[in-house]
Amino acid sequence: SAVISQKPSRDICQRGTSLTIQCQVDSQVTMMFWYRQQPGQSLTLIATANQGSEATYESGFVIDKFPISRPNLTFSTLTVSNMSPEDSSIYLCSVRDRGTQDEQFFGPGTRLTVL
Amino acid sequence: AQKITQTQPGMFVQEKEAVTLDCTYDTSDPSYGLFWYKQPSSGEMIFLIYQGSYDQQNATEGRYSLNFQKARKSANLVISASQLGDSAMYFCAMREYSNYQLIWGAGTKLIIKP
Repeated sequence: SAVISQKPSRDICQRGTSLTIQCQVDSQVTMMFWYRQQPGQSLTLIATANQGSEATYESGFVIDKFPISRPNLTFSTLTVSNMSPEDSSIYLCSVRDRGTQDEQFFGPGTRLTVL
Repeated sequence: AQKITQTQPGMFVQEKEAVTLDCTYDTSDPSYGLFWYKQPSSGEMIFLIYQGSYDQQNATEGRYSLNFQKARKSANLVISASQLGDSAMYFCAMREYSNYQLIWGAGTKLIIKP
């Protein structure tokens, strides 16, 4: 199974600032995903990070607010821009492993608090 | 309409007892996969078990097994001999093969009592 690391693990930020979250995978993967989990909620997909092209955003999420980079098959970043308290969430990076089973693994998450 | 339903918002179970967490799903795609994840208070999402729609046998991984009843569109997670460390949120999810997205249930908060 893929091993995924995320940095930072948590942060407390001021309103109006931006935070970039890094996701590193120990193997090359085609599909990387970014999710948001608001307090007490289930996961919501923000976007699919594509290597060599623009990310594909889900309804309700826009590139200006959540710019994503995917420079290679093992790394991606998500930036949360111009933050407000409503952005306080856990942000999770995920990869799909189409090996023997079609599994999907998650990084440890970044717990963001915006004051 | 809800595609994944977890009807138990919370459960209390005595340590060492078996636990069944309910999950029902709705899809018209004949090819799909079902997932269970554990999320402790630390926030990480831990993959537990996977069941493909064409798998003949119920999936098992250590103390975890998936009770797959295809006709009833049910994919319950069974944890045998529960431990204090099993206390966490548990999420059921589905991926239809016509769609790359995981569809999530609302989760069940499991608390194991000593």
